[in-house]
Amino acid sequence: DAGVIQSPRHEVTEMGQEVTLRCKPISGHDYLFWYRQTMMRGLELLIYFNNNVPIDDSGMPEDRFSAKMPNASFSTLKIQPSEPRDSAVYFCASSFEGPEDTQYFGPGTRLTVL
Amino acid sequence: GDSVTQMEGPVTLSEEAFLTINCTYTATGYPSLFWYVQYPGEGLQLLLKATKADDKGSNKGFEATYRKETTSFHLEKGSVQVSDSAVYFCALRDFGYSGGGADGLTFGKGTHLIIQP
Repeated sequence: DAGVIQSPRHEVTEMGQEVTLRCKPISGHDYLFWYRQTMMRGLELLIYFNNNVPIDDSGMPEDRFSAKMPNASFSTLKIQPSEPRDSAVYFCASSFEGPEDTQYFGPGTRLTVL
Repeated sequence: GDSVTQMEGPVTLSEEAFLTINCTYTATGYPSLFWYVQYPGEGLQLLLKATKADDKGSNKGFEATYRKETTSFHLEKGSVQVSDSAVYFCALRDFGYSGGGADGLTFGKGTHLIIQP
């Protein structure tokens, strides 16, 4: 298997623009997680899905952030409008049986908002 | 709420030295504990885990024992290699979890380990 795939790997945008991050989980994994990593706050869970349904989005920072999973092989994390404080590395991960099962992480998207 | 505390480093050691990275936690329930490793430019990978008190997780020469009495899960390796240079994250999943933040893994800030030849 190719592992978790994320795109783009790097994104540079200007404040106020819409940003869409994409993730393809490992085939057969029922759980998908979105994390954000910053120097100040470390690694934070934003939201996770089970069988394409959002289970817990209480980690999403505010209404500017939204995540969808239209099918088992694709998820998006959208920021609209983006702000400089959103600059971070965003990771997608997937697992077979849930948060306590081994999570397989993608390589991350490094987002810079100018 | 749940939290994980670990030394942030960087921790710099010579090759073949003994490694300890401390990790302590607070949890409201009965957590499972994890160590993840992040190599430069990559996502995190599970290194080892333990699901109940006194369990020992081990992998690739690394070990960690779940100590409920001291709420700790310290990572150890007897002889480190240059290829072990990475950032190591301690994490927990609390099954007695209730309220505040997303119900998933809670990670420490990460410890940057540098092994010199």
